[in-house]
Amino acid sequence: KAGVTQTPRYLIKTRGQQVTLSCSPISGHRSVSWYQQTPGQGLQFLFEYFSETQRNKGNFPGRFSGRQFSNSRSEMNVSTLELGDSALYLCASSSTRAYTDTQYFGPGTRLTVL
Amino acid sequence: KNQVEQSPQSLIILEGKNCTLQCNYTVSPFSNLRWYKQDTGRGPVSLTIMTFSENTKSNGRYTATLDADTKQSSLHITASQLSDSASYICVVIPPSGTYKYIFGTGTRLKVLA
Repeated sequence: KAGVTQTPRYLIKTRGQQVTLSCSPISGHRSVSWYQQTPGQGLQFLFEYFSETQRNKGNFPGRFSGRQFSNSRSEMNVSTLELGDSALYLCASSSTRAYTDTQYFGPGTRLTVL
Repeated sequence: KNQVEQSPQSLIILEGKNCTLQCNYTVSPFSNLRWYKQDTGRGPVSLTIMTFSENTKSNGRYTATLDADTKQSSLHITASQLSDSASYICVVIPPSGTYKYIFGTGTRLKVLA
């Protein structure tokens, strides 16, 4: 079974631009969560989608948004990029929202904002 | 103050030796506590999942313990291997109603030959 895939793996943008990252969960998984990882803050929760609905959102500004499609694939969008948005963006999927479910992480998208 | 604190920040050990990583949390109550291993440049991989009522959980050479009274968890690695070199992250998941994982900042482990 293929793992979680994220595209692109690396991305370089300039301040003020917008970016869209994509995540394909493991086949059959319906829950997709997004995280931001930086050296200073570590891993931080962005949002979670289940059955095309955002179920929860972390403490990030409205410039960060996402969506989930009927096939469970998810995208996240960051508008008006800032230097501080440079980070590794990780996507994770699980089959349900149960707390006992293991989340499987993708390799991440490394975003650099110049 | 972080709700999940890990120590040490970094650790260097020789191959074959054992080590113990610590996680102190203030999140209470919580539904479960997890340990993840993250290799450089890759996403985290789940090692153990423990509910608040469990004291210990093993996964091969990895053994996690949980003391809900002192709000401490530890991850013990036995007979370390070079491939154990990675960051180890402790994660606390609050009760239902929120899906917000609370991550520790991790311990970076380096195993030397």
